[in-house]
Amino acid sequence: SQQGEEDPQALSIQEGENATMNCSYKTSINNLQWYRQNSGRGLVHLILIRSNEREKHSGRLRVTLDTSKKSSSLLITASRAADTASYFCATFHSGNTPLVFGKGTRLSVIA
Amino acid sequence: KAGVTQTPRYLIKTRGQQVTLSCSPISGHRSVSWYQQTPGQGLQFLFEYFSETQRNKGNFPGRFSGRQFSNSRSEMNVSTLELGDSALYLCASSSTSGETQYFGPGTRLLVL
Repeated sequence: SQQGEEDPQALSIQEGENATMNCSYKTSINNLQWYRQNSGRGLVHLILIRSNEREKHSGRLRVTLDTSKKSSSLLITASRAADTASYFCATFHSGNTPLVFGKGTRLSVIA
Repeated sequence: KAGVTQTPRYLIKTRGQQVTLSCSPISGHRSVSWYQQTPGQGLQFLFEYFSETQRNKGNFPGRFSGRQFSNSRSEMNVSTLELGDSALYLCASSSTSGETQYFGPGTRLLVL
């Protein structure tokens, strides 16, 4: 399966701390995307990083990509209670293939 | 731009019935994908339509079908509902495959 795997499955931190989530995948990718899902709602796109990029920033989000290790990390700095959600990585491999989503990391930020 | 809309938002059906869910993508988006999300299986890809053609299909039985209209609106149909079909069904649109997907709020289906 090409499915990405997030690690850890669940993460609980205090408000103000940084949260780091990891994603590993098995076959080469064209791009990798991170999404957030608040409980029972649709997913919201956070950031897309292409295979020729190593790092991207968006506000308090920092994403890195290591294609040699087939892994990516999402860092949320200075977390807030509103960041409590599930975070998914999705990989796009080639051509007209669909995005492949991992099982997600559940982040709880405690005020 | 208006976001992706899905109707209905909630649905209760009984085993054996059929259901049709609707998705209106963001204006200009030609790709519409459908996903099933359950606590046990996570987010599973159902199918993708692009310009009225099914381009990709996930590993689901033939009871799950879909279509896309010329205005890019899409419907998915599940026939002969089973208890295990209870899930959140998500629709997402994008301008092309592999780029950012914009998700609707989902349709929560409960099969009794």
